[in-house]
Amino acid sequence: EAQVTQNPRYLITVTGKKLTVTCSQNMNHEYMSWYRQDPGLGLRQIYYSMNVEVTDKGDVPEGYKVSRKEKRNFPLILESPSPNQTSLYFCASSLVPSYEQYFGPGTRLTVT
Amino acid sequence: GNSVTQMEGPVTLSEEAFLTINCTYTATGYPSLFWYVQYPGEGLQLLLKATKADDKGSNKGFEATYRKETTSFHLEKGSVQVSDSAVYFCAPDRGSTLGRLYFGRGTQLTVWP
Repeated sequence: EAQVTQNPRYLITVTGKKLTVTCSQNMNHEYMSWYRQDPGLGLRQIYYSMNVEVTDKGDVPEGYKVSRKEKRNFPLILESPSPNQTSLYFCASSLVPSYEQYFGPGTRLTVT
Repeated sequence: GNSVTQMEGPVTLSEEAFLTINCTYTATGYPSLFWYVQYPGEGLQLLLKATKADDKGSNKGFEATYRKETTSFHLEKGSVQVSDSAVYFCAPDRGSTLGRLYFGRGTQLTVWP
């Protein structure tokens, strides 16, 4: 089954404790992306990757890092989380950016 | 810069009512246009798309027409069902070779039986 998986689905952590949210796709897609969803703001892109070892900032990259060492995986790293990073995070992938994007189920992060 | 304006929600309708969710955008060039839907507790999924002027995207009874002259892509459905209750996002791409999407704020639709 074609899918994008994210882990964990729910995470509560404290300010400053480094964390990683994993994302994996099994569709051999070249393009992968991270979004955050906040009430009243819709989805905003954090980082994206056009291919292995090619990543770039989206619209709200501050406080986040990513890596793309393998085609299927695109982890999101928060080196020092802060409460304003409390949000619902989605990973997505597609063949190319303007094709249909497949979204993961989301990771709800709370930073206290 | 690029922007998208969606009708603010929440929208509450009775079953079998007609639905319109307005979407207008600004973009460079001629972007492809998408509507995504998010059912409760799930990630987004593509509902329909249109890639050039006057194209009509359709799926599951929903339709939207690419209107270049008004830079709009309004979502419509003639008869909504309770199962259509979800959040709907309008998403143009950025009209460049990169084609990354940017999303509207989303419109919450609730359909009552």
